[in-house]
Amino acid sequence: DVKVTQSSRYLVKRTGEKVFLECVQDMDHENMFWYRQDPGLGLRLIYFSYDVKMKEKGDIPEGYSVSREKKERFSLILESASTNQTSMYLCASSPSGGNQPQHFGDGTRLSIL
Amino acid sequence: DQQVKQNSPSLSVQEGRISILNCDYTNSMFDYFLWYKKYPAEGPTFLISISSIKDKNEDGRFTVFLNKSAKHLSLHIVPSQPGDSAVYFCAASALRGGNQFYFGTGTSLTVIP
Repeated sequence: DVKVTQSSRYLVKRTGEKVFLECVQDMDHENMFWYRQDPGLGLRLIYFSYDVKMKEKGDIPEGYSVSREKKERFSLILESASTNQTSMYLCASSPSGGNQPQHFGDGTRLSIL
Repeated sequence: DQQVKQNSPSLSVQEGRISILNCDYTNSMFDYFLWYKKYPAEGPTFLISISSIKDKNEDGRFTVFLNKSAKHLSLHIVPSQPGDSAVYFCAASALRGGNQFYFGTGTSLTVIP
């Protein structure tokens, strides 16, 4: 089974802090994704990556950056956390090629105070 | 603009009856569709998929129907069980769009024993 592991289940940070969310997958998938889930808004794509050191903006990249130095690891960075970034963050991975389901981690519930 | 819509935020069904969850999309380029199931405090789990060359796909108690002309898909669960109580997300992608998925806002299904 594919395993996508997010480093923290719950995280509390303060406004203005730099926040790192880590995600690791163990299935050698080329594609990795970061989403946030908010009530009534579903899953919204923040950033994704098709390969090491490659990144693409999703629908809501503002206030975020990402890093993919190794194939198995994809990090989401909140450069200066704000209260409107309080959310559930979900990481996913999938093999290359189209028509492949994404596999998700269990999420990180991030609260910005 | 929401390209994938789930217009029913919630649905309640008696155990043993059929659950029907609906999803509409606007982008005619979408050619691959999935349903995910999500329990609280867990990541979404892939449930079933369908490509645009088919109009029906079955997997045990779960069947997905695709009506391309209406840009509509539905998930049927028969018979419904209390363990099916979860939030269900539909998602769509276009082969030419790589592996980027667009998610609906989710429908919370409650199966009443």
